[in-house]
Amino acid sequence: GEDVEQSLFLSVREGDSSVINCTYTDSSSTYLYWYKQEPGAGLQLLTYIFSNMDMKQDQRLTVLLNKKDKHLSLRIADTQTGDSAIYFCAESISSGSARQLTFGSGTQLTVLP
Amino acid sequence: DSGVTQTPKHLITATGQRVTLRCSPRSGDLSVYWYQQSLDQGLQFLIHYYNGEERAKGNILERFSAQQFPDLHSELNLSSLELGDSALYFCASSVGPGTSGEQYFGPGTRLTVT
Repeated sequence: GEDVEQSLFLSVREGDSSVINCTYTDSSSTYLYWYKQEPGAGLQLLTYIFSNMDMKQDQRLTVLLNKKDKHLSLRIADTQTGDSAIYFCAESISSGSARQLTFGSGTQLTVLP
Repeated sequence: DSGVTQTPKHLITATGQRVTLRCSPRSGDLSVYWYQQSLDQGLQFLIHYYNGEERAKGNILERFSAQQFPDLHSELNLSSLELGDSALYFCASSVGPGTSGEQYFGPGTRLTVT
């Protein structure tokens, strides 16, 4: 089955690192994604990782994938107030010739000054 | 800016009415996806079109329908609207099959049914 779970809230101090966690259930997932949604806006693709990778780094963002435990995390280094948003993780399931995304419920990140 | 455009940005209508939401994908993208985002249901996949053909259906009500035109823009039609249809409706686009599948989202249409 397809199910993606995330904790609902995370608060951090400005300058600290944030770690947002996600678990997924479908072992056939080949790509996993992180999206950011600011208030009143659409979802912005931050990064994605292929399932044969353990880690991907992109500037302040580090994605870690533990395929055995079906656990994905997004680390934001030096978190800034502009990082306050909802972060969604999504898994990609192949459906015929298409690729469908299943999203988690989102984690509301609040960055405190 | 993702390159995906949606119109209108806001829509207020009454129960029982019908509305059409429009989406233009990023240049070169052949796949268009529609999602509904509400507080109680989260982000729900509705339907996927690729190069004019329906490819997959998610949690889309029978009162809702969509199509993708030869110029690749897409429309989502919502009819017999109910209060519970009030939500944000997003369109996303991607290149198509055989890729990493990342989807780029438009800014959304906020639908309010009164």
